[in-house]
Amino acid sequence: KAGVTQTPRYLIKTRGQQVTLSCSPISGHRSVSWYQQTPGQGLQFLFEYFSETQRNKGNFPGRFSGRQFSNSRSEMNVSTLELGDSALYLCASSLFPTNTEAFFGQGTRLTVV
Amino acid sequence: ELKVEQNPLFLSMQEGKNYTIYCNYSTTSDRLYWYRQDPGKSLESLFVLLSNGAVKQEGRLMASLDTKARLSTLHITAAVHDLSATYFCAVATLLEDTGNQFYFGTGTSLTVIP
Repeated sequence: KAGVTQTPRYLIKTRGQQVTLSCSPISGHRSVSWYQQTPGQGLQFLFEYFSETQRNKGNFPGRFSGRQFSNSRSEMNVSTLELGDSALYLCASSLFPTNTEAFFGQGTRLTVV
Repeated sequence: ELKVEQNPLFLSMQEGKNYTIYCNYSTTSDRLYWYRQDPGKSLESLFVLLSNGAVKQEGRLMASLDTKARLSTLHITAAVHDLSATYFCAVATLLEDTGNQFYFGTGTSLTVIP
């Protein structure tokens, strides 16, 4: 059974650009959450999607947005990139939002220069 | 906002020794998770603790939960080098109406020295 797949694995962008990250959850899983991991702030919640609806959002500026498609795949977008957006972005999937287990993907390492 | 405090932040221990990592959280939660992360890698699920008094063991790791004290512990028995990693605890709020969210501790970077 395939795990959570995130693409791309690594990305280098310039300040001011925008970026789109993709997450394909485990087959059958319908809930997808996104987290940002930085050395200074640790792991912070970005958003959660279920059935193409954003159900919860963390404390991040509006430059961070996301969406979920009918096949449960999710994308997150960061516009007007800043140096501080450099981080490991992790996606987690679960069957349903209230399901006990959440499985994390390998992450996308974004570097903003 | 739910706060999760984890200590110690750094732990260097000799092979064969025992130690405990502590995870305190600020408000009532539905469940407590322990994850392991190797450098540059994702989070690997270790334990999910769902109720007061829950204890789970896997190999040299044992996790417990005291919901009244809002405390979870991860106990390492007879450490081996392969256990070197960063360990995170996370507390989840799982609400039907408002979605779910994990709150992570700061992580404990464990180095096991031969």
